[in-house]
Amino acid sequence: AQSVTQPDIHITVSEGASLELRCNYSYGATPYLFWYVQSPGQGLQLLLKYFSGDTLVQGIKGFEAEFKRSQSSFNLRKPSVHWSDAAEYFCAVGRPGGTYKYIFGTGTRLKVLA
Amino acid sequence: NAGVMQNPRHLVRRRGQEARLRCSPMKGHSHVYWYRQLPEEGLKFMVYLQKENIIDESGMPKERFSAEFPKEGPSILRIQQVVRGDSAAYFCASSPGGGNTEAFFGQGTRLTVV
Repeated sequence: AQSVTQPDIHITVSEGASLELRCNYSYGATPYLFWYVQSPGQGLQLLLKYFSGDTLVQGIKGFEAEFKRSQSSFNLRKPSVHWSDAAEYFCAVGRPGGTYKYIFGTGTRLKVLA
Repeated sequence: NAGVMQNPRHLVRRRGQEARLRCSPMKGHSHVYWYRQLPEEGLKFMVYLQKENIIDESGMPKERFSAEFPKEGPSILRIQQVVRGDSAAYFCASSPGGGNTEAFFGQGTRLTVV
């Protein structure tokens, strides 16, 4: 079955510390991969996406993610977290060649300590 | 170019009433997707529509829920005879369709059934 797993429900980091959010997926082929951020009461903002090519993807707000086919993972990283990064982060997969029917993980809620 | 517009942002309905959620896709986008986010969960696909056609409604409950995307006007997600379990955030996304594109999400409608 197709699924996305975000094993960390909550993560707390200090401002300025590095961050890695984990995402593993189960899919028949290499899917399109996405990371979205959702601030409280807000919609989803796309941080970055992977379709093909270079497996290290740069996104907005200083985020990057690395696709590892052998591990079926697409972990999100940021070298230095800012207080404004506190939000919920969702990993999602989509069918190659289209935007149809994303499958989302259950999210990781990030708390940033001053 | 305005983003995906959803209204209302917040909707309160009593049990047994009808809820109508509206979504105007981004200009030039002819594909619309509805997702539901239950409390403490990730987004779950409900339905995929193109103009005047339902392409896939496999994620939508068989009863009380319906969706349309008419030739003119916004897409509508309609929930009849709402129950407490329908309380959730409902997100709409749109895309131009096909190829290497991603879906753009609206800010959601938060439905509360009292």
